[in-house]
Amino acid sequence: QKEVEQNSGPLSVPEGAIASLNCTYSDRVSQSFFWYRQYSGKSPELIMSIYSNGDKEDGRFTAQLNKASQYVSLLIRDSQPSDSATYLCAVGKASGGGADGLTFGKGTHLIIQP
Amino acid sequence: EPEVTQTPSHQVTQMGQEVILRCVPISNHLYFYWYRQILGQKVEFLVSFYNNEISEKSEIFDDQFSVERPDGSNFTLKIRSTKLEDSAMYFCASSERGTDYNEQFFGPGTRLTVL
Repeated sequence: QKEVEQNSGPLSVPEGAIASLNCTYSDRVSQSFFWYRQYSGKSPELIMSIYSNGDKEDGRFTAQLNKASQYVSLLIRDSQPSDSATYLCAVGKASGGGADGLTFGKGTHLIIQP
Repeated sequence: EPEVTQTPSHQVTQMGQEVILRCVPISNHLYFYWYRQILGQKVEFLVSFYNNEISEKSEIFDDQFSVERPDGSNFTLKIRSTKLEDSAMYFCASSERGTDYNEQFFGPGTRLTVL
């Protein structure tokens, strides 16, 4: 049974600070890792993808991957009130062909306090 | 910017009725997916589709579900005999690649309410 675990929160962070979101996964063959942002009542919006160990930066967002520890994280620098949302960690496997469904965590509810 | 579209945005149906949810994936994408999210719960994978056939399906995707690409643009999810527990948001997604580097982009969803 593939599992993706996240702390549900809420995680409260002051405006301008760094928000740190964490995710662990159980399936060692997982190869693709994604962070989605979901506002209440809306669909998941892809914000970061990462496939190799280490850090990947995109604007205010940094994704970190450690496959040995089966751990993925997302850092949001200079947090803004508009970053307040639920952040979903999603994991896929390299199945060698076809279309690979993602396994999602329950999400971390992030609140940025003005 | 290209996006996935879904219709209708909200569907209300009676238990036992058939519903068809429609999606138009991003035009140059070849891989399509359906997910559902029951209120307050996590997003769950239902099925993926490539080259006019199902690629992968979850335990949720039982015989009451089917998918189809009836033409060059639409991708549909049919639920034959709806149950109360089918009430959820249904999201369609598409990607340019199927596995490695397969970033999936989601549509706005269809809220299905079964009475």
